[in-house]
Amino acid sequence: GESVGLHLPTLSVQEGDNSIINCAYSNSASDYFIWYKQESGKGPQFIIDIRSNMDKRQGQRVTVLLNKTVKHLSLQIAATQPGDSAVYFCAESNAGKSTFGDGTTLTVKP
Amino acid sequence: NAGVTQTPKFQVLKTGQSMTLQCAQDMNHNSMYWYRQDPGMGLRLIYYSASEGTTDKGEVPNGYNVSRLNKREFSLRLESAAPSQTSVYFCASSDQTNEKLFFGSGTQLSVL
Repeated sequence: GESVGLHLPTLSVQEGDNSIINCAYSNSASDYFIWYKQESGKGPQFIIDIRSNMDKRQGQRVTVLLNKTVKHLSLQIAATQPGDSAVYFCAESNAGKSTFGDGTTLTVKP
Repeated sequence: NAGVTQTPKFQVLKTGQSMTLQCAQDMNHNSMYWYRQDPGMGLRLIYYSASEGTTDKGEVPNGYNVSRLNKREFSLRLESAAPSQTSVYFCASSDQTNEKLFFGSGTQLSVL
């Protein structure tokens, strides 16, 4: 079946640095991609999304890049803060269903 | 505006017992979903309801049933619980399919 995977299960960064979290997807028919943040004991929370007709989208301190040629998605967090520590999931959506990757745990060191 | 509300938050069952997880959303969303999350893994789709009156299987539907009671409510039933169903269950909703999901806070279920 199709799957969405993350390159690294864990990422540790210094407070104030930029973070880059990567994701590879395999379903070329997917047309909508989403990044979620999950804090301990809570449900995932939407961060940013991008549709397949775009290759970049910016939010507040976050940027998502989509490379359809190599089926790669990345989340960039600028000036990472302690509150950014969480598990980050990418998800691809096709035919109304979202498929999640296994997640990357981001730890921000003070 | 509570968003997506799940009950209960915690539940312990014995093998073979049955139970229903409740989910309600107050955002007037059309689509609702049930996911399970196992340790160190992403979320896997159990069942979803694209609109009121319809339900469809997801990736891991075996051992579960669902009911879209009305536009607000989508319940998940375990008829005969098994230890393999020990997991954290999340309900989610979206305005339409292929839109961002809004999640509840989860139900931690343990089957002994």
